[in-house]
Amino acid sequence: AQSVAQPEDQVNVAEGNPLTVKCTYSVSGNPYLFWYVQYPNRGLQFLLKYITGDNLVKGSYGFEAEFNKSQTSFHLKKPSALVSDSALYFCAVRGGTNAGKSTFGDGTTLTVKP
Amino acid sequence: NAGVTQTPKFQVLKTGQSMTLQCAQDMNHEYMSWYRQDPGMGLRLIHYSVGAGITDQGEVPNGYNVSRSTTEDFPLRLLSAAPSQTSVYFCASSRSGGHGYEQYFGPGTRLTVT
Repeated sequence: AQSVAQPEDQVNVAEGNPLTVKCTYSVSGNPYLFWYVQYPNRGLQFLLKYITGDNLVKGSYGFEAEFNKSQTSFHLKKPSALVSDSALYFCAVRGGTNAGKSTFGDGTTLTVKP
Repeated sequence: NAGVTQTPKFQVLKTGQSMTLQCAQDMNHEYMSWYRQDPGMGLRLIHYSVGAGITDQGEVPNGYNVSRSTTEDFPLRLLSAAPSQTSVYFCASSRSGGHGYEQYFGPGTRLTVT
């Protein structure tokens, strides 16, 4: 079975400071990892993904994520947070024998204060 | 492209009533999924499909049925609504051919069962 853990329900940062939203995963075989963002009363939007290759992947809106195989982690980062980054962030994994099935974490609410 | 569309946007049901949530996509995606989103519980997979005529259960399938007669459509049926099914429902689709394709989400259906 595959699973995703987002250990922080809430992350608060000041505008201009770096941010990190944590994610760890468990899956058999090679992991395929994704970050999605949900703004209030909206659907989810894709941010970035790790498939293979460079452990640091870059995505939309200046976000990046670092894949660490030994720690089974895929933390989302941004060097300088904006108030408009405030949203709900989800980490997701695909793996194993069933490519059609994704598993999501419980989500982390990011609040960026001016 | 309209992407992933869902109807209705809002619905109120009485306990015991049945209804169908509609989902359609115009991107020719083989993979489609239904999720429910509840506060603090992230996104939980209800049912998914890897192509027309092929469906499978996710984490929380009880009380829901699906069918996939065409590539474009993936309706979710509530057989006998219960208050525990009050939630926001999201439909998603993605390309097939491997694990590395991100999902595209619809705007969601907010369902209240009284």
